[in-house]
Order: sequence, then structure tokens, then C-alpha cells
Amino acid sequence: RKEVEQDPGPFNVPEGATVAFNCTYSNSASQSFFWYRQDCRKEPKLLMSVYSSGNEDGRFTAQLNRASQYISLLIRDSKLSDSATYLCVNGYNKLIFGAGTRLAVHP
Amino acid sequence: SQTIHQWPATLVQPVGSPLSLECTVEGTSNPNLYWYRQAAGRGLQLLFYSVGIGQISSEVPQNLSASRPQDRQFILSSKKLLLSDSGFYLCAWQGVRDTEAFFGQGTRLTVV
Repeated sequence: RKEVEQDPGPFNVPEGATVAFNCTYSNSASQSFFWYRQDCRKEPKLLMSVYSSGNEDGRFTAQLNRASQYISLLIRDSKLSDSATYLCVNGYNKLIFGAGTRLAVHP
Repeated sequence: SQTIHQWPATLVQPVGSPLSLECTVEGTSNPNLYWYRQAAGRGLQLLFYSVGIGQISSEVPQNLSASRPQDRQFILSSKKLLLSDSGFYLCAWQGVRDTEAFFGQGTRLTVV
């Protein structure tokens, strides 16, 4: 089992939609997780940190389910500018990235 | 504030040539430093990880090596490049273990 697994997508959604991504991890000792956003041919940028059960920042909500070992990212009221690849990261000891989930928001 | 510099931004090198990519961090001390590679359309593969000067963990055996000659300097090298070394190379720094990391702008390497 990979350390971090994500659905690669792509998720194609209209503007205003709510979309959710899941990410599963294999190391039950992990305490810190992150979501990064990566635009085409750019470096990843931190979107949210998840240290406890969850975190919310505007239209973005991240949740951690330790029992089932997954993290989710919910984006409400999608904007065209949300189109990007979203990377899930397990921060335990060293930073291990998932392969990313591609989101395309269309008019 | 902390900044991370990575250069060059793009590089085209022939097969068999050497490689040296440099990454430096400013505004922090004793950071954890990372080198990742991203192949086209793929995820980030962790190559090397360093918690201090001279301390390098190699994650994937391959044609590359890393060195940390100074606290805030991380260098990725190869003696002879392969076609398969092409990719987007990213350096990142992390202040404390288990916290978020911040990336440089990356080097896009094409081996021809």
C-alpha cells in the first residue's frame, strides 16, 4: 500500500459546485497532514494544514479521520481560479506527497 | 521572513554531462531540506532529505547525489545525466519536523 494515495481525477465541475477529494494514508502514527495546490508548471503552494480533526479557511474545509486513515478536502462555491492539482501530504517525520488530484472548474 | 532560492529555472543538458542544482534558504536556521523530482504529469517523488549539515537521507537509489555543505545550502548533483533524469526538480525547506514545507520555484531539467 502506498504511503499516501489520492484519486487522480480529473474532477470536472461547474462554477459554484461543491467538490470533495479524499486522500488515504498508511502510517497510523502520522499526526500532521497538509493540502497543497499546484498550478501547471509551478511549484506547490501550501493550502491548508491539518493537525487535529480538521481545519476551515473560507470556502475550503479539511477533515481528518484517524480511525479510517483518510483526509478530505472540501471546496465550496468553486471558482474558475480553483482549477489546479491538489496534493495531499503526510507530514510524519518527512514529507510524503500523494500523486495529486486534478480539478477543472468550467463556466 | 524566510525565502528559498533555487536556480537555474530551466536547464537543457546532454546525456552524460554532469549536473549541479543549488538551493539556498534565507531567514531561518537549521531547516530541514528536501529535494523532490516531478516527472511530467506525475506526483512529487522524494529524492533526498537533510536534517543538518552533512546529514543526507537518500530515498530512492539512482543516478543522483545530494550534499549540504552549509546549514542553508542544499545541492543536487549527478556525474552523468541520463534521459530519465529529465523532470521538474523542487527544493523545499521545513522549519520543524512534522510541519509544513515551502518550495523554491523549481528547475525544469531536460536531458537531450
